Amino acid sequence: NAGVMQNPRHLVRRRGQEARLRCSPMKGHSHVYWYRQLPEEGLKFMVYLQKENIIDESGMPKERFSAEFPKEGPSILRIQQVVRGDSAAYFCASSSGLAGGPNEQFFGPGTRLTVL
Amino acid sequence: KNEVEQSPQNLTAQEGEFITINCSYSVGISALHWLQQHPGGGIVSLFMLSSGKKKHGRLIATINIQEKHSSLHITASHPRDSAVYICAVTDNTDKLIFGTGTRLQVFP
Repeated sequence: NAGVMQNPRHLVRRRGQEARLRCSPMKGHSHVYWYRQLPEEGLKFMVYLQKENIIDESGMPKERFSAEFPKEGPSILRIQQVVRGDSAAYFCASSSGLAGGPNEQFFGPGTRLTVL
Repeated sequence: KNEVEQSPQNLTAQEGEFITINCSYSVGISALHWLQQHPGGGIVSLFMLSSGKKKHGRLIATINIQEKHSSLHITASHPRDSAVYICAVTDNTDKLIFGTGTRLQVFP
């Protein structure tokens, strides 16, 4: 049973380019969370998605960032016109989202984005 | 003030020592999580707890809901325990709110 998959593991972009980060949740999980870890800083929540729905995007920057989790395929975190300050590790986590209680989240290996 | 505070920020120990990492939080939670992040960056969930105490191998996690405090204990520490230990809480939306982490180094 494969865990949470993220690709690419490392991504280098020049300022102004677009970055697309992919996350495939664990089998049977329908809830996906994206977190960002800036260099030498702690993890911060960005966005929480279920299939075809954004549940909470309170941690997403208002501009240039978007996320989706389509009916088929992985969740995508998209960063347009990247800037150096976007350089960070981006982690995806998934959970079963079962009603009635807190659900454990399982993390992917992360995508390390470097903006030149 | 952060919603989740951890102490200490850095911790060094000799192999075999008993280690305690503390976490305090100021928000209402549905659960508290302890995570481990290794130097390579991967994150592993160690515990999720809402009350009482959980044990897994040499690791023990406790939580006091009234005092909004949790501790992670490592017994008989080993160099392979060297990592960053992160306390996080989930509110009713299941999103995680993280502490800043405790960097642990265990020397042989």
